[in-house]
Amino acid sequence: DADVTQTPRNRITKTGKRIMLECSQTKGHDRMYWYRQDPGLGLQLIYYSFDVKDINKGEISDGYSVSRQAQAKFSLSLESAIPNQTALYFCATSDPSPGTGDEQFFGPGTRLTVL
Amino acid sequence: QKEVEQDPGPLSVPEGAIVSLNCTYSNSAFQYFMWYRQYSRKGPELLMYTYSSGNKEDGRFTAQVDKSSKYISLFIRDSQPSDSATYLCAIEQEAKLSFGAGTTVTVRA
Repeated sequence: DADVTQTPRNRITKTGKRIMLECSQTKGHDRMYWYRQDPGLGLQLIYYSFDVKDINKGEISDGYSVSRQAQAKFSLSLESAIPNQTALYFCATSDPSPGTGDEQFFGPGTRLTVL
Repeated sequence: QKEVEQDPGPLSVPEGAIVSLNCTYSNSAFQYFMWYRQYSRKGPELLMYTYSSGNKEDGRFTAQVDKSSKYISLFIRDSQPSDSATYLCAIEQEAKLSFGAGTTVTVRA
């Protein structure tokens, strides 16, 4: 079974609709992240959470909100979807060790299309 | 200006060729330097990381960091069709990663 799962894998919605993307992990990591990926722009950080009580905005948080329901679950919401939020969305987790890089483990992604 | 710049390519090479990928960055406070590989319709996965200037080898892959020039590179020797993927550089500061745009590589059999 995959360590980081995302649901749904694909979603088509209309402008103005509320959308929730869900992420679950079985790795036992405290840190979780949400990114969006657009062609030519790479991965951009939307929100991140270092533990259940810690939520932080990333570089492109406008139009998004998150909820950390438990250590294993981190949800991303689009309160009122707009077409330029059409993108590939990734959830990631990490558990850094002192003196080493913070390897992030990514889910399979959710392809969201806003019409 | 983005913190990490990477030529998006695409790059197409014949099997057996050396693939050379590179990124530049602007913030000298960056601590760890990583390369992620992303296959089509998959999430990225860590390929290599390093935190100091110099070279690091792992099989056919070599990561190179030049902190004085703020330049990082990834070399793939004896490239294989299975190396066809998008390669993203990532640079870490304070537990957050800044990614390059990714370079799509195709290795032709």
